[in-house]
Amino acid sequence: GENVEQHPSTLSVQEGDSAVIKCTYSDSASNYFPWYKQELGKGPQLIIDIRSNVGEKKDQRIAVTLNKTAKHFSLHITETQPEDSAVYFCAAAGRAAGNKLTFGGGTRVLVKP
Amino acid sequence: NAGVTQTPKFQVLKTGQSMTLQCAQDMNHNSMYWYRQDPGMGLRLIYYSASEGTTDKGEVPNGYNVSRLNKREFSLRLESAAPSQTSVYFCASRDLGLGYGYTFGSGTRLTVV
Repeated sequence: GENVEQHPSTLSVQEGDSAVIKCTYSDSASNYFPWYKQELGKGPQLIIDIRSNVGEKKDQRIAVTLNKTAKHFSLHITETQPEDSAVYFCAAAGRAAGNKLTFGGGTRVLVKP
Repeated sequence: NAGVTQTPKFQVLKTGQSMTLQCAQDMNHNSMYWYRQDPGMGLRLIYYSASEGTTDKGEVPNGYNVSRLNKREFSLRLESAAPSQTSVYFCASRDLGLGYGYTFGSGTRLTVV
């Protein structure tokens, strides 16, 4: 089955700096890669996603890049703000696995004011 | 529009006790999922229901059972709780017509003593 690894497990950045989280996946048939943000005491919320026919997608301060050849994808947050502090999860899914999401282990991001 | 509703939010059980975690969605989604979240291990799939009337095992099904009561409701049962089942449980739903994005509930924090 699919295996998703996520790094780093914790990330501390100064407000205004950029944050980058990286994930690798094992199943070359995976074709959908979402990112979720989880705030304390809440369920994960989808913040951005990318499909395999696209190499990069941007939404305001967040962007995701995908390298299908290397089987890795990354989340970039620019101009970080204290409200960006949360746990972020990457995930991968493909039709071969019934479109079920496999999640990475999560990255705890702390933005210091 | 409530999205995905989970009850209860918190529960403490003694080893050997049974309980059912309830999940309901009001988005007319076809697929529903149960995940558990443990520190440093991300989200792991316990069981899922691709459509009303079907259920399948995920990555960590041992010690659990599920029921897809109708299109809206998907319950998770612990027949004989064990301390290893102490975790935060999340229910999620998805509609194929909207792509692969999951909507998560706010979680049930379960402690087994």
